[in-house]
Amino acid sequence: DIQMTQSPSSLSASVGDRVTITCRASQSISSSLNWYQQKPGKAPKLLIYAASSLQSGVPSRFSGSGSGTDFTLTINNLQPEDFAAYYCQQHYSTPQITFGQGTRLEIK
Amino acid sequence: EVQLVESGGGLIQPGGSLRLSCAASGFTVSNNYMSWVRQAPGKGLEWVSVIYSGGSTYYADSVKGRFTISRDNSKNTLYLQMNSLRAEDTAMYYCARWHDYGGSPWRNYGMDVWGQGTTVTVSS
Repeated sequence: DIQMTQSPSSLSASVGDRVTITCRASQSISSSLNWYQQKPGKAPKLLIYAASSLQSGVPSRFSGSGSGTDFTLTINNLQPEDFAAYYCQQHYSTPQITFGQGTRLEIK
Repeated sequence: EVQLVESGGGLIQPGGSLRLSCAASGFTVSNNYMSWVRQAPGKGLEWVSVIYSGGSTYYADSVKGRFTISRDNSKNTLYLQMNSLRAEDTAMYYCARWHDYGGSPWRNYGMDVWGQGTTVTVSS
């Protein structure tokens, strides 16, 4: 199984900050990597697919990069509504997809 | 409007069975890959199962042999039959649609539509 490891597990930031979340795969997954945002009590929401493509309707302050084993999600100019949990997910080994353990982004 | 609505969750004793439903609107379930994803209380997301548009089904090792994914094309509804339930199956269960964004040599997929979730609690 392909393991996905996110770092950090949690971080605190302020409105207007730029934050970066990292996701590492246990083996190369090309660009088969998605990012999701989940707010408390809500379903996950797809932000980024194919490592760097922005899902329709997602603000441009969200961006993704990387390929192979190392990936990043960057959020520029943090907004109050961005404080949530973020998950990476690989689909290289489809149908056996796996998620990272999540990163909780909190207000400082 | 494209939408998924889950139902069927509840409190069930260990060893019991439950069937979850996921009714779709705005798109055709049978034309898409459809998944169940669960989230234990306070934990992360765990993929459970997928059914391909062609009908092939796949499961996480943690549920293989106990859970069955299926769909009713006439009702445009996805199901998850859960048998031999264990305490560790306690979770919020989401259904989700896989969107195919194309790409080569590997297809690019993302779960772009999710239901609101239904809660399953396995406890005596």
